[in-house]
Formats: sequence, structure tokens, C-alpha cells
Amino acid sequence: DAGVIQSPRHEVTEMGQEVTLRCKPISGHDYLFWYRQTMMRGLELLIYFNNNVPIDDSGMPEDRFSAKMPNASFSTLKIQPSEPRDSAVYFCASSLGPRTDTQYFGPGTRLTVL
Amino acid sequence: KNQVEQSPQSLIILEGKNCTLQCNYTVSPFSNLRWYKQDTGRGPVSLTIMTFSENTKSNGRYTATLDADTKQSSLHITASQLSDSASYICVVEGGFKTIFGAGTRLFVKA
Repeated sequence: DAGVIQSPRHEVTEMGQEVTLRCKPISGHDYLFWYRQTMMRGLELLIYFNNNVPIDDSGMPEDRFSAKMPNASFSTLKIQPSEPRDSAVYFCASSLGPRTDTQYFGPGTRLTVL
Repeated sequence: KNQVEQSPQSLIILEGKNCTLQCNYTVSPFSNLRWYKQDTGRGPVSLTIMTFSENTKSNGRYTATLDADTKQSSLHITASQLSDSASYICVVEGGFKTIFGAGTRLFVKA
């Protein structure tokens, strides 16, 4: 299996622009998670899906962030409009089951907002 | 306040030596505790997951312990290797919360 796939690996954009991050989970995994990692705040859980349905989005920082999972093999995290403080590494992870199952992380997308 | 505190912040050891990383938490209710290894520039990799009833779990040279009464966990690395140089992150889940520690940065020197 190829593991969790994320694209792009690096994104540089200007403040105010829309940014879309993409994730393909491991086939057969029912849970998908989006995380953000910064030097100041460390890792944070933004949102997670079960069978394509958002279960907990309490970690999404504000309305500028939105996430969708239109099917079992694809998810997007969108930031509109982007701000410099959104600069971070965004990870996608997937797992077979919920809280007690192993989560497999993708390589991350490094986002820089100028 | 739900918190996860890791110590030390960073650690330098010689190759072949053992070391122990600490994780103290105040998260309540408690569901499970995870240890991750994160190499620079890469995503975290799961080492162990422990639920309330588990005291010890091993993964090769990595052994995690959990004391749910004192809300403490440790990660012991045996016979360290250069490839163990990484950040080790403790994560506690409970209720609808996922709380991350700031991590311990381990450097293994030849």
C-alpha cells in the first residue's frame, strides 16, 4: 500500500488567496483526520471523519477553514482567505477504527502564507 | 485544564545507551495514550497505544508504561541507535478531546 498521500507537499501563497490541501487515505480505512503542526502550538487535531461524515470539527480554528470528504478515497482542507498565521505543516492521517486504532500519517503539506 | 506535559524538553545520549522519556497528563476523562516518533520533516509514526487497563506495551526496543492512577506515562528506549534521533510526542485522548504534548527532542550521538 502507498500509505496516506497528500498533495501538494509544499504550497506558498499570498495572504487572501484560497488554499486547498488534498488527502488520499489508505484504502479501507474508515477514519480520516486532519492535523496542523506549528512550532508555537505543536500538533493540533482540526477535524476527523468517519465513513466520510465529519464527526468532530471543534478543532477547526475559524470559519475560514473548511474540510470535506466527498468519498472514501479523497478529502480536502480549504482555507479561504488565507492569512500568514495559517502557515504550518498540515497532516492527514487515516485509521481502520476510532480512538484505539493506529493512525497512519501522510508526509504533510508545508503551507507558507506570505 | 486538560494538559499533557513532557520531559525533558530535549535529551542527548550516546549510541547504545538507554533512556526514558516522561509524560504527565491531567486529561479527564481518559480514554487512551499514544506515543509517536516524528523524524524531522516527516509525519508522526505510531509507537504504542495504551488504554486505561494497560500498564505496559512494547514495540521492539520501545517500551511504554502507563500509571492511570498517577496519570503518568513513560517511554523507555533500549540500546539506542542513531536512527532513534527524533521527536517523541505523547498524546492523550478522552471524551471528545485529543491533547498533544510538546514533545521531547532526542539526539543520539555516535
